[in-house]
Amino acid sequence: QVQLQQSGPGLVKPSQTLSLTCVISGDSIFNNNVAWNWIRQSPSRGLEWLGRTYYRSKWYNDYAISVKSRMTINPDTSQNHFSLQLNSVTPADTAVYYCARGKDSGFDSWGQGTLVTVSS
Amino acid sequence: DIVVTQSPDSLAVSLGERATINCKSSQSVSHSSCNGNCLAWYQQKPGQPPKMLIYWASTREFGVPDRFVGSGSGTDFTLTISSLQAEDVAVYYCQQFIDSPPRFTFGPGTTVDIK
Repeated sequence: QVQLQQSGPGLVKPSQTLSLTCVISGDSIFNNNVAWNWIRQSPSRGLEWLGRTYYRSKWYNDYAISVKSRMTINPDTSQNHFSLQLNSVTPADTAVYYCARGKDSGFDSWGQGTLVTVSS
Repeated sequence: DIVVTQSPDSLAVSLGERATINCKSSQSVSHSSCNGNCLAWYQQKPGQPPKMLIYWASTREFGVPDRFVGSGSGTDFTLTISSLQAEDVAVYYCQQFIDSPPRFTFGPGTTVDIK
């Protein structure tokens, strides 16, 4: 049974960097059949997929157009976790952020969610 | 980009009665890689992450009660709760995952409550 445990600060100042980590247990970050995703949820935008990292003999990343210029997802193979960094945040980035495992069937396992508020 | 819409926005159903939620995609989500249709349904209760109920439009995730039934193909899909239970009160989302480059867009959600 895969479990995803998120960690990171709940308050970030405008223009700074939002950083979150998702620790994977019960699966390997090298699993060739899945991707590791970040998704956020806010009242204004609903559920919004942000990006993913996945391993297919080498590492690949995909990002949503809306955040592509500001976002980085990094796998940490030694710790079996992956991280999100979102630069130059504004109040519009306030949301609950989730990590999730993606398969060819959808997102089958989710982290517990982290409410991130962007405010000075 | 593929746009996903849902109807109704909310519905209230008596315990034991049927609840029906519709999902429409602006483009077909049919693809052989998804055993037919690249569409999933999720249930979200307050304070919890979404939980996958149905994938490939009609396949129940392991452990999901058989009162949850997904149907449809192409651009039009339905989630039916055949006999509503109190624990089914939640927001339900559909999501497509066919597009490349990926967008994985979700519908806006349908709130199901007890009448």
